[in-house]
Amino acid sequence: DVKVTQSSRYLVKRTGEKVFLECVQDMDHENMFWYRQDPGLGLRLIYFSYDVKMKEKGDIPEGYSVSREKKERFSLILESASTNQTSMYLCASRVVGGYNEQFFGPGTRLTVL
Amino acid sequence: DQQVKQNSPSLSVQEGRISILNCDYTNSMFDYFLWYKKYPAEGPTFLISISSIKDKNEDGRFTVFLNKSAKHLSLHIVPSQPGDSAVYFCAASPPGSQGNLIFGKGTKLSVKP
Repeated sequence: DVKVTQSSRYLVKRTGEKVFLECVQDMDHENMFWYRQDPGLGLRLIYFSYDVKMKEKGDIPEGYSVSREKKERFSLILESASTNQTSMYLCASRVVGGYNEQFFGPGTRLTVL
Repeated sequence: DQQVKQNSPSLSVQEGRISILNCDYTNSMFDYFLWYKKYPAEGPTFLISISSIKDKNEDGRFTVFLNKSAKHLSLHIVPSQPGDSAVYFCAASPPGSQGNLIFGKGTKLSVKP
């Protein structure tokens, strides 16, 4: 069974803290993605990676960075958390080909105080 | 500029009746279209997809229709069940992308017993 896991379901951080969100997939997928979901705004792509050590900016990369040192792991980093980064963060992965179906993790609800 | 639009933020349907969720798009070059379902505090789960060369795809109670001339697709759920209550996202895959998907903002479906 396809599995994408995220390190935390709920996280509370303070403004200015450095935050790490971890995502691991066990499907040997090449591509991995980070989204944030906000009410009324849908899913917005932050960053994606199509191979180890490769990364591309999505639609809203400002304030974020990513790291992909191993194929199965994709980390999202908030360099200095701000209150407007309070959101649901979703990680996804996909195998090349097919319908471009992405498999999502359960999400991390991040609150920045 | 939104390339994938879900103009109805919410939809309420009686159990046993048909639910029709709509999605419009602007780019005629999209390869594939996908529907995802999302429950609160969970990641989206893939529901059904359709290739741009087809006009219908069916999977159990779920059918997706694609009208390329109108740049419109719809998801039909028959019969609707209370467990179908969730947010539904329409997504489209641009050609030549690294598996990126462009998501609509979602429609919240409520199925009343």
